[in-house]
Amino acid sequence: NAGVTQTPKFRILKIGQSMTLQCTQDMNHNYMYWYRQDPGMGLKLIYYSVGAGITDKGEVPNGYNVSRSTTEDFPLRLELAAPSQTSVYFCASNLGGSTDTQYFGPGTRLTVL
Amino acid sequence: GENVEQHPSTLSVQEGDSAVIKCTYSDSASNYFPWYKQELGKGPQLIIDIRSNVGEKKDQRIAVTLNKTAKHFSLHITETQPEDSAVYFCAASVNRDDKIIFGKGTRLHILP
Repeated sequence: NAGVTQTPKFRILKIGQSMTLQCTQDMNHNYMYWYRQDPGMGLKLIYYSVGAGITDKGEVPNGYNVSRSTTEDFPLRLELAAPSQTSVYFCASNLGGSTDTQYFGPGTRLTVL
Repeated sequence: GENVEQHPSTLSVQEGDSAVIKCTYSDSASNYFPWYKQELGKGPQLIIDIRSNVGEKKDQRIAVTLNKTAKHFSLHITETQPEDSAVYFCAASVNRDDKIIFGKGTRLHILP
């Protein structure tokens, strides 16, 4: 099993550009999550999904969109990139929800200039 | 909603000494408390967790204690080694919610 994979590893965007961060898991997990990690600020939940076709907002959803058309994939879309979205983005998944181990991907480092 | 506070933000200990990281939570209904370790350039990885029906749990050099009355829990690492250098996150969650709340993290440095 590859676990949770994320692409790309690094990306530089200009203000106003858009991009999609890809996340795939091969563990047949129902739950998937997107976090952003800013220096000294821990992990903030952006969006999460409890299964294919179902998504919900986390703590910091503004400026982002997600979709969950399959169990395996949970892409995160930035429509109009802003410098405030410069961060490291982590995707995670698990089987049992909030009281179960989360498995994290390696992260995507995004810089918006 | 749940709020998790973590202290200290940075901790330096001599190799071989013990390290303690403390967290408090606000929602008395929280019943699951995991600890994640994040090495440089990687995603966080679970190292130990504890549920509210248990006061202490140990796994080799790592232990976690939970005080439900005071709403705080702690991570203890004994006989620290260079590979323990990392960022550690505590977290808390409630069965009724689908998400977990993380603390801001503690950067642990093991000094030679």
